[in-house]
Amino acid sequence: DGGITQSPKYLFRKEGQNVTLSCEQNLNHDAMYWYRQDPGQGLRLIYYSQIVNDFQKGDIAEGYSVSREKKESFPLTVTSAQKNPTAFYLCASSIDRMGPQHFGDGTRLSIL
Amino acid sequence: AQSVTQLDSQVPVFEEAPVELRCNYSSSVSVYLFWYVQYPNQGLQLLLKYLSGSTLVKGINGFEAEFNKSQTSFHLRKPSVHISDTAEYFCAVESGSRLTFGEGTQLTVNP
Repeated sequence: DGGITQSPKYLFRKEGQNVTLSCEQNLNHDAMYWYRQDPGQGLRLIYYSQIVNDFQKGDIAEGYSVSREKKESFPLTVTSAQKNPTAFYLCASSIDRMGPQHFGDGTRLSIL
Repeated sequence: AQSVTQLDSQVPVFEEAPVELRCNYSSSVSVYLFWYVQYPNQGLQLLLKYLSGSTLVKGINGFEAEFNKSQTSFHLRKPSVHISDTAEYFCAVESGSRLTFGEGTQLTVNP
């Protein structure tokens, strides 16, 4: 079955630590996205990538970094500069920048 | 820049009753519109989309939405809801290469 896999489902971070969230898709989609979801705030765009080796900042990119070395993979690193990282993180992909987005099941990040 | 307003944060209804979840958007250019559903601790699933053509769009699970350009609205409706429709629903607008989401509406269907 084609889809988007996010791992891990739950992740804990210590103060001052960087953590990386994985996102893999086998849909052969060109575009991939990372969102942060907080209660009552909907989804906010962190980063997006329309093609391999290219990505753009979204609305809340500070404290995050991404890479897009392969079409299938778009990992998100939450750096120690992100002072409030506790949230539910969702990865999505679309066949191109105009297509509907397909979502993974998310990673819930918490601070120890 | 575009924005999306979902007018109700919570909508409680009884099973088999009709429901309408309201969504208004603002954008200076042509847009594509979407409704997504999210069950607890899961990602979002596409319910329906409006790209062009007929303003009445039918989606999965018996939902439909009507695009109203003059009122800049895209309200979601279902004539008879089930307990299993309990979830959070998000309206989204795409313009350019980005989706902008509303803050979500929690639909709770009670027996």
